Amino acid sequence: GESVGLHLPTLSVQEGDNSIINCAYSNSASDYFIWYKQESGKGPQFIIDIRSNMDKRQGQRVTVLLNKTVKHLSLQIAATQPGDSAVYFCAENRSGGSNYKLTFGKGTLLTVNP
Amino acid sequence: DSGVTQTPKHLITATGQRVTLRCSPRSGDLSVYWYQQSLDQGLQFLIQYYNGEERAKGNILERFSAQQFPDLHSELNLSSLELGDSALYFCASSVDGGAGYNEQFFGPGTRLTVL
Repeated sequence: GESVGLHLPTLSVQEGDNSIINCAYSNSASDYFIWYKQESGKGPQFIIDIRSNMDKRQGQRVTVLLNKTVKHLSLQIAATQPGDSAVYFCAENRSGGSNYKLTFGKGTLLTVNP
Repeated sequence: DSGVTQTPKHLITATGQRVTLRCSPRSGDLSVYWYQQSLDQGLQFLIQYYNGEERAKGNILERFSAQQFPDLHSELNLSSLELGDSALYFCASSVDGGAGYNEQFFGPGTRLTVL
């Protein structure tokens, strides 16, 4: 069946360092991949997405890389700040017909040490 | 603030009971999605409604049901509650559930505790 999983459940970095959060997916039919950030007590917040026909997309301090050959997705956060501490989820969306559910990975807890 | 509202924020109830969770989507959004977040299962898609009609179903138990009303708000009904139903329930909305991906905006969630 389809699944999205994360390699690392926790990641601890120093403030100012770059962070890399990884995600593996198994459904090659997925056409969108999304990264969400969830802070304690809040709902998931959209960070960045990428279409399956792209291999890189950049936002403000964040970059998402997609490697379809090995079905791997990563989120890079530049100059990590304490406010980046949260759980990060990757999610895949497979359109087709009218089914637009998101399938989420387990999540990675990012802790930024001052 | 995503613009999606959910009530109540917290809910504590007993096994066997029935509860209703409410969601108001962002203004203009036609699709509403419900997700369950538990420690062991992560974020799981339950069901999607688009403009009042059920559009997609995920891992939703038969004891659970949902509906979307003409004003586009949605309710998730959970009945015959079990301890394992304790979780965070999120609602998300998007502009359109039609072809192509539409960003989903999540509400703050309802924390359900079944004792």
